[in-house]
Amino acid sequence: DTGVSQNPRHKITKRGQNVTFRCDPISEHNRLYWYRQTLGQGPEFLTYFQNEAQLEKSRLLSDRFSAERPKGSFSTLEIQRTEQGDSAMYLCASSLAGGSGIGGGYTFGSGTRLTVV
Amino acid sequence: AQKITQTQPGMFVQEKEAVTLDCTYDTSDPSYGLFWYKQPSSGEMIFLIYQGSYDQQNATEGRYSLNFQKARKSANLVISASQLGDSAMYFCAMRAPRAGGYNKLIFGAGTRLAVHP
Repeated sequence: DTGVSQNPRHKITKRGQNVTFRCDPISEHNRLYWYRQTLGQGPEFLTYFQNEAQLEKSRLLSDRFSAERPKGSFSTLEIQRTEQGDSAMYLCASSLAGGSGIGGGYTFGSGTRLTVV
Repeated sequence: AQKITQTQPGMFVQEKEAVTLDCTYDTSDPSYGLFWYKQPSSGEMIFLIYQGSYDQQNATEGRYSLNFQKARKSANLVISASQLGDSAMYFCAMRAPRAGGYNKLIFGAGTRLAVHP
């Protein structure tokens, strides 16, 4: 297993367009998380899934954002009608439920950097 | 409020010397976990070290050690024998029930470390 994979690595889009990002977690991990990181800040939690169920969503996740995890495997994060304020790094992480051991079992991907022009 | 504070926006260290990156946290939970991550320019969040609130000893992982002072609510990262490859952003993070549960991490704003030859 090569870890958490995110695609694309970079995305430039015009304001008002829709974009979709993909995250492939570590295969045996049943939890998947999305974080957003703006320039000069630490990551902020957006949402997480356990298997295919989306169990929590942050207030940061406006109606223009939607995340899915069909079949409990990969996940997609879609942003509709993008705005310049959506420009950020979108990080995905995965873990095993109950993984409270060393590091909590979190593994992050390399992120998708979105630029809205 | 559940919060992580990193007061050093940037730090410089000479190669082969030790450096301490500061982190203070705020939580009323008796049970919590503290993490340090490294983020190189590639964007991936790399797990470095973990400290549980009930751990009796300070965590160590190779050249990384965590100076955990529970009464002062501080969890400083010490990097010994700095290497040029240590140049990166460093984030302190917390996981606690009242910070949203054990399913999300709360991050600080980060410290940029530059190692000079």
